[in-house]
Amino acid sequence: NAGVTQTPKFQVLKTGQSMTLQCAQDMNHEYMSWYRQDPGMGLRLIHYSVGAGITDQGEVPNGYNVSRSTTEDFPLRLLSAAPSQTSVYFCASSPPTGGYNEQFFGPGTRLTVL
Amino acid sequence: AQSVTQPDIHITVSEGASLELRCNYSYGATPYLFWYVQSPGQGLQLLLKYFSGDTLVQGIKGFEAEFKRSQSSFNLRKPSVHWSDAAEYFCAVGAANQGGKLIFGQGTELSVKP
Repeated sequence: NAGVTQTPKFQVLKTGQSMTLQCAQDMNHEYMSWYRQDPGMGLRLIHYSVGAGITDQGEVPNGYNVSRSTTEDFPLRLLSAAPSQTSVYFCASSPPTGGYNEQFFGPGTRLTVL
Repeated sequence: AQSVTQPDIHITVSEGASLELRCNYSYGATPYLFWYVQSPGQGLQLLLKYFSGDTLVQGIKGFEAEFKRSQSSFNLRKPSVHWSDAAEYFCAVGAANQGGKLIFGQGTELSVKP
């Protein structure tokens, strides 16, 4: 298993540009999440999904869109990038078994918005 | 409000010395508790988790943590630190049937002196 994969690893955008961060998992996990990591703030939940076709907002959803058309993929879209979105983005997945939410994390995407 | 607090932003210990990283949480439901470690430029790796049962849990790399409900704490310990333990450590809390949603603390950066 490749686990959770994210592309790209690094990205530089100009203010106002749009892009999609890709996330895929091959563990047949129902739950998937996107977090952003900023210095001194830990990880904050952006959006999450409990299954294909179902998404919900987390703590910091503004400026981001998600969709979940398949179990495997959970892309994060930045509609109009802003410097405040400069961050490291992590995708995670978890199985629903027993109600546990132990999450498995991807390697991250480092995004800089100029 | 649900929250996780890691009071120590940065800790320095000597190699071979014992280590304790603090974590306090505020959570309405029965918490599921986690410790993750992040090496520089890497993703997050699960060290250990607590769901129920024995309040002292063992993890990987010689780490352990103790859940104390009366103190709302889940401190991470290691009896003898190795230089390779230098990393950032995150405490996180979730709940049953809250798949995809973890609340993270701000993180504690551990430095190890030779």
